[in-house]
Amino acid sequence: EVVMTQSPATLSVSPGEKATLSCRASQSVSNNFAWYQQRPGQAPRLLIYGASARATGIPDRFSGSGSGTELTLTISSLQSEDFAVYYCQQYNNWPQTFGQGTKLEIK
Amino acid sequence: DVQLVESGGGLVKPGGSLRLSCAASGLTFTNAWMSWVRQAPGKELEWVGRIKSNTDGGTTDYAAPVKGRFTISRDDSSYTLYLQMNSLRTEDTAVYYCTTGGGSYIPHWGLGTLVTVSS
Repeated sequence: EVVMTQSPATLSVSPGEKATLSCRASQSVSNNFAWYQQRPGQAPRLLIYGASARATGIPDRFSGSGSGTELTLTISSLQSEDFAVYYCQQYNNWPQTFGQGTKLEIK
Repeated sequence: DVQLVESGGGLVKPGGSLRLSCAASGLTFTNAWMSWVRQAPGKELEWVGRIKSNTDGGTTDYAAPVKGRFTISRDDSSYTLYLQMNSLRTEDTAVYYCTTGGGSYIPHWGLGTLVTVSS
């Protein structure tokens, strides 16, 4: 199965600054990947699918890019509600697999 | 709006069984592929298995760690998804999420139900 490796494990950023989260796939996943946000005690929420399409209701400060094995989630200007754990997921190969998560914390 | 509400979690001893339910609303359940995803405490998300719609054959697929022990089923008349878990192990302790989709991105998640396997 495809292994998704996220980096860094923890990212400390100040509110208002930009955050860049990375995910590497062990083999090409084309543009068939997604990003999720999970706040403490909550279910994950879909942010990005198809590499760069924002899910319904997701602010435009969230953007996804990449293809193949290198994937990126960028949050342009961090708001207080953005500090959470973020997961990448590939669905190009069966079974779908998730990364181990990046915790975005307030600096 | 799509709503998925899980129930049936709890404490069970190793080797025991448990059945989870997921009540779905706000979607055409009969056409929906559905999945279960779990998350052990402090760990990442792990796909458990999926069931296709009955119009697509109603077949199931499972992740390797649960294959042969877990069974997913559905009742389209009541818009309910099930996860029957047998021969439970301590490593099955997790929050179990009911989700839409079955092999693509996941637009809808339930709130989850906690399953604790401990003696």
